[in-house]
Amino acid sequence: ETGVTQTPRHLVMGMTNKKSLKCEQHLGHNAMYWYKQSAKKPLELMFVYSLEERVENNSVPSRFSPECPNSSHLFLHLHTLQPEDSALYLCASSRSSLSGTEAFFGQGTRLTVV
Amino acid sequence: QKEVEQNSGPLSVPEGAIASLNCTYSDRGSQSFFWYRQYSGKSPELIMFIYSNGDKEDGRFTAQLNKASQYVSLLIRDSQPSDSATYLCAAKGTGRRALTFGSGTRLQVQP
Repeated sequence: ETGVTQTPRHLVMGMTNKKSLKCEQHLGHNAMYWYKQSAKKPLELMFVYSLEERVENNSVPSRFSPECPNSSHLFLHLHTLQPEDSALYLCASSRSSLSGTEAFFGQGTRLTVV
Repeated sequence: QKEVEQNSGPLSVPEGAIASLNCTYSDRGSQSFFWYRQYSGKSPELIMFIYSNGDKEDGRFTAQLNKASQYVSLLIRDSQPSDSATYLCAAKGTGRRALTFGSGTRLQVQP
């Protein structure tokens, strides 16, 4: 599956580090999303971007900072994270954020905060 | 109340049997519903979506939707060991800009 590509696949970072997760979609979609998946919990929506504009922020701590420079790229900038932020971070895209279209996921970044 | 609820399982079925996975949702205005399969350590992949009441079939998979009961199900016929995974139900709620996911049901198909 190469429609939505995430890098890196794995990341270990200290609590004082700054790192960024990258997502790129080649599907011509207009909406992109960041989800967090922790063990034994449902996928949690973090951010929604529609046509490069952030349209939803689900009470995510400011240590997570998204950026969407264009409709094909999405970043998640990380700084001063906590160990409980360790999780699988999934990027997804869909044709539109308003219509009931399906979302396609990238392979995820497995983040470990030490 | 969770917006999308699934039994966490595991649901264990023998190879060749029909696996039945169920999901309920709380937002009566939800219009579209999705089933994703997620293998351990991998990302979710879309299996099927359904918008209208009734059944929708695709190969060995059948999605069923009953909006009056706010119930969605996925049937997998002739289950194979390779079907062993976690199945995620998702709904697109009224005015929502993203899918809301259930916590998933783990399916184990015994050879």
